[in-house]
Amino acid sequence: NAGVTQTPKFRVLKTGQSMTLLCAQDMNHEYMYWYRQDPGMGLRLIHYSVGEGTTAKGEVPDGYNVSRLKKQNFLLGLESAAPSQTSVYFCASTQLDTQYFGPGTRLTVL
Amino acid sequence: KQEVTQIPAALSVPEGENLVLNCSFTDSAIYNLQWFRQDPGKGLTSLLLIQSSQREQTSGRLNASLDKSSGRSTLYIAASQPGDSATYLCAVKAGANSKLTFGKGITLSVRP
Repeated sequence: NAGVTQTPKFRVLKTGQSMTLLCAQDMNHEYMYWYRQDPGMGLRLIHYSVGEGTTAKGEVPDGYNVSRLKKQNFLLGLESAAPSQTSVYFCASTQLDTQYFGPGTRLTVL
Repeated sequence: KQEVTQIPAALSVPEGENLVLNCSFTDSAIYNLQWFRQDPGKGLTSLLLIQSSQREQTSGRLNASLDKSSGRSTLYIAASQPGDSATYLCAVKAGANSKLTFGKGITLSVRP
C-alpha cells in the first residue's frame, strides 16, 4: 500500500513551458485534491475532484488544468508556466474525513 | 470567509517539556478540525481528527481539544522529544463536502 504518490519530485521549467504533475493513490478514495504551498501563504487549494470524471475549481485555479480520467489518478497541468507558479505542489486524497497527502513536487519556473 | 490562525509561528522548547499549540478560527460553524504534522521537505501527515460533536481526541502523547463556541483548538504534546520537531498545522472543514481551510502552521523545535 503506497498511499499517495507524486511524480516528479523536482522539476525546473522555463517560462512558457508546459508540464503535467501526476498524483496516484491506491486507497480507492473518491476525493482528490491539488494544493500549492508557498512561504507565508500556507496551503491553498488549486483544484479538486469528488470522483472519477469530475473536477472543480479551488481557491487559486488560474493557470492550471486538471483531469481525473481514472479514479486512482489526478493530473495537474500547467499549459504555460510562469515564475509565479514556482511552489511546492501537494496532492491529497480523502476517505472518511481524513486527508492523506503525497510527498510533494518542488517546481521552479525560471 | 473562514480564517484559521496559528500563533506563534515558531516555538523552541527544551526536551521533556509539556507544550500546547494553539489554533483559532473565525467561523464556529465547523464540521471537523484536523491537526497535521509536516517534516521539512515532506508532505503532511494527519495526527488527529476531531468531529464537531467531539471535545477532544487522543493519540499517544498527543491530545487535541476543540471548543467551537470560542473558535479554538489546542494540541497538547506531553513530554516533548527532539523527534517532535516539525511544523504543526491545523485545518477546519465547514461541511461534509467542503474544502479544508488551513492555518499557516507552527514550527516547533525541541532542543535536546
